[in-house]
Amino acid sequence: NAGVTQTPKFQVLKTGQSMTLQCAQDMNHNSMYWYRQDPGMGLRLIYYSASEGTTDKGEVPNGYNVSRLNKREFSLRLESAAPSQTSVYFCASIPPGGTDTQYFGPGTRLTVL
Amino acid sequence: SQQGEEDPQALSIQEGENATMNCSYKTSINNLQWYRQNSGRGLVHLILIRSNEREKHSGRLRVTLDTSKKSSSLLITASRAADTASYFCATDKAAGNKLTFGGGTRVLVKP
Repeated sequence: NAGVTQTPKFQVLKTGQSMTLQCAQDMNHNSMYWYRQDPGMGLRLIYYSASEGTTDKGEVPNGYNVSRLNKREFSLRLESAAPSQTSVYFCASIPPGGTDTQYFGPGTRLTVL
Repeated sequence: SQQGEEDPQALSIQEGENATMNCSYKTSINNLQWYRQNSGRGLVHLILIRSNEREKHSGRLRVTLDTSKKSSSLLITASRAADTASYFCATDKAAGNKLTFGGGTRVLVKP
C-alpha cells in the first residue's frame, strides 16, 4: 500500500492563477480531509468528505473547492490563488470502523506570489 | 480558532530524559489524539484517548486525560534523538471525525 499520496509536492503560483491539488488513498478509507498548516501553527480543516459523493466545509473553506471523484480520490481546487493561501496542504483519510485515527499524506508546499 | 493549546511551545532536553507536554481544550470532546510531525513531513498518529479514559500507554508514551480540567498530557520517557519532532494534540468533538488541532510543541532531543 502506498497509503495517502499527494501531488504535487511543491508548487509556486502567481496571484490569480488556479490549480488543483490531488490526493489519493489506496486503503479503502471512507472519510477524507484537506487541511492547511501555516508556519508554526497546527492544522486547520478546509473541507472533508465523509463518503464518496459528499463534501462538507471545515473551519477555513473560503477560496477553496473540493471534489470527491471516487472513493480513492479527493481533490482541492484553488480557483484564484491569493498570497494568504501560501501554506502547506495535507490530505488525510480515516479507515471504516470508527477507529478515528487519521492517516496523513506527505503534504504539498504551496507558495502564492 | 484552535480548540487545543499546547504548552510549552518548545522543549529542549538531553537524550535519556523525559519530555512532558500539555494540551488544553475548550469544549467537550469525544476523544483526544496526539500526533507527531517530523520536519517537512506529514503527521503520524501516536495515541488516542477517549473521553471516558483517564490514562493510556503505548511503548514509551503515556497520555493522561482530565476532562474536568479539559486538559491532557503526553509523556515521552527515555527520549531519543529520533523523538525530535513537533507534537500536536487534536480533539474530536463529535461524530464526523473532524479534528481540531492545537499549535504544537516543538521538541528537540540533544544527543
